[in-house]
Amino acid sequence: NAGVTQTPKFRVLKTGQSMTLLCAQDMNHEYMYWYRQDPGMGLRLIHYSVGEGTTAKGEVPDGYNVSRLKKQNFLLGLESAAPSQTSVYFCASSWRGPGNQPQHFGDGTRLSIL
Amino acid sequence: DQQVKQNSPSLSVQEGRISILNCDYTNSMFDYFLWYKKYPAEGPTFLISISSIKDKNEDGRFTVFLNKSAKHLSLHIVPSQPGDSAVYFCAASDYGGATNKLIFGTGTLLAVQP
Repeated sequence: NAGVTQTPKFRVLKTGQSMTLLCAQDMNHEYMYWYRQDPGMGLRLIHYSVGEGTTAKGEVPDGYNVSRLKKQNFLLGLESAAPSQTSVYFCASSWRGPGNQPQHFGDGTRLSIL
Repeated sequence: DQQVKQNSPSLSVQEGRISILNCDYTNSMFDYFLWYKKYPAEGPTFLISISSIKDKNEDGRFTVFLNKSAKHLSLHIVPSQPGDSAVYFCAASDYGGATNKLIFGTGTLLAVQP
């Protein structure tokens, strides 16, 4: 049982390049989330989805887009990468909303923008 | 505006002693609280949670206490073991409220000395 799988694990981009981070979960969870973790900032929510075909903005959505075409996958896109987007990105999923159930996290994608 | 605060960036304790990690929150609408543990290069893993209808929840060596009037929660680990050395995040949610999101603190690095 893989749980939540994130690809790639590491990536270096140049400013202005685009890329997509993939998150896949095999637990049939309805809710999926993308967070970023920066030093001294904890985890901050970028975007989330409450089900297939739905997306919503989190605390820090600017510069990112997401899609949830299939229930098991949640994609995070950077259209034009900026150095401020250098961070560790975590995907998470849960069966129900965050108010009464813990989220399961992937191991993260470390992204550097030069 | 930091709604969930962990004011101690780090904590060092001796093996076998009690570890107490603290967390304060400002939003009185928060009604579900969680602690996550994170090892380097891994994603956060769920440790223990508490609903606002309780003031204590226990799971083995881990106990979470909630003081709603003080807007304060704490995680007690007894006895502490070297394998407990990790970053601990507290998080809070207002289920069904305006955010429907999980708000994380900045984390406390616990070091358990053998």
